[in-house]
Amino acid sequence: NAGVTQTPKFRILKIGQSMTLQCTQDMNHNYMYWYRQDPGMGLKLIYYSVGAGITDKGEVPNGYNVSRSTTEDFPLRLELAAPSQTSVYFCASREGTQYFGPGTRLTVL
Amino acid sequence: KNEVEQSPQNLTAQEGEFITINCSYSVGISALHWLQQHPGGGIVSLFMLSSGKKKHGRLIATINIQEKHSSLHITASHPRDSAVYICAVRYRDGDTGNQFYFGTGTSLTVIP
Repeated sequence: NAGVTQTPKFRILKIGQSMTLQCTQDMNHNYMYWYRQDPGMGLKLIYYSVGAGITDKGEVPNGYNVSRSTTEDFPLRLELAAPSQTSVYFCASREGTQYFGPGTRLTVL
Repeated sequence: KNEVEQSPQNLTAQEGEFITINCSYSVGISALHWLQQHPGGGIVSLFMLSSGKKKHGRLIATINIQEKHSSLHITASHPRDSAVYICAVRYRDGDTGNQFYFGTGTSLTVIP
């Protein structure tokens, strides 16, 4: 099993650009999560999904959107990127224990 | 509701020392997780607890539900244990029972 995979690993965006962070898991987990991690801060939940077709907001959803058309994929969309979205983004899936992807380091300039 | 506090924030130990990291939370939970974040950034789950105690190798995790407190112990610490250790809780509440709330982490450095 590959576990949870994320692409890209690194990305630099200009203010106002858009992009999609990809997340795929091959463990058939129903629960999937998107987090952001800022320096000195704990992980914050952006969006989560309890199964295909079902998504819900977490603590910090503004400026992001998600979709869950299949069990495997949970992409995170950034519209109109802002410097405040500079962060490291982690995707995770869960069936009991959480499994994390390797992260995407995003810089918005 | 989403207060998860860890102590200490930073910890430096000599190789071989016994280490304790603490986590406290504010309301009833359905599960508590201990995570390890490597210097390269990857995050792995060490333990999931809802009661009692779990052991894996040199790592031991305990939870006291009444006191809303958990501890992660590392026996015979080694430089490869150097990492950030993160506590995460999933609350029992129906609205937030699918969400995790995280402490800010304890940065551990073990010196040879």
